[in-house]
Amino acid sequence: KNEVEQSPQNLTAQEGEFITINCSYSVGISALHWLQQHPGGGIVSLFMLSSGKKKHGRLIATINIQEKHSSLHITASHPRDSAVYICAASGRSNNNNDMRFGAGTRLTVKP
Amino acid sequence: DGGITQSPKYLFRKEGQNVTLSCEQNLNHDAMYWYRQDPGQGLRLIYYSQIVNDFQKGDIAEGYSVSREKKESFPLTVTSAQKNPTAFYLCASSPYWGTNTEAFFGQGTRLTVV
Repeated sequence: KNEVEQSPQNLTAQEGEFITINCSYSVGISALHWLQQHPGGGIVSLFMLSSGKKKHGRLIATINIQEKHSSLHITASHPRDSAVYICAASGRSNNNNDMRFGAGTRLTVKP
Repeated sequence: DGGITQSPKYLFRKEGQNVTLSCEQNLNHDAMYWYRQDPGQGLRLIYYSQIVNDFQKGDIAEGYSVSREKKESFPLTVTSAQKNPTAFYLCASSPYWGTNTEAFFGQGTRLTVV
């Protein structure tokens, strides 16, 4: 079993829909990262959070430490949101900055 | 603009040849990382460097080598000993080695062995 599991693997939505991508992890962490990988391959960091909720524009990330679960929400989705979204858990010990990555969720938003 | 630059974007190599992937950052970050990405799998750590002149093996270091002679540069050599080198390679950096640090990624290099 992978240490970081994402669901769904693939997601197709119509423009304007509310989208949720889920991430569950089995390791102790100090931070949970959400990343966006564009079709060309480059990765951009969207959020790093260790508790509660963060919001940036139409993107919202939440984390429940007790349940070891995080969600990424996209409101009013747009075709330009089409990308692979990756969840990563980091900091399993005080001296370890190793990140463990989920396999990614491929999101396609149709106009 | 500050960032991480990987080159080349696409690379073809003949079997049995070594090849070096470049990674340069001008963010003044101490820590740098190399990851490998295969279809349907999460990124896996090849090597990391906490600080200049230091580097450590990651989960899948066999068949790879690195150096960290300068703070801004962390090249990865894929040697002929790597059995399945065709993959997408990503370089990343973070301000320092430790918990709760945000990682910055390059655009990646797609290596194909022909």
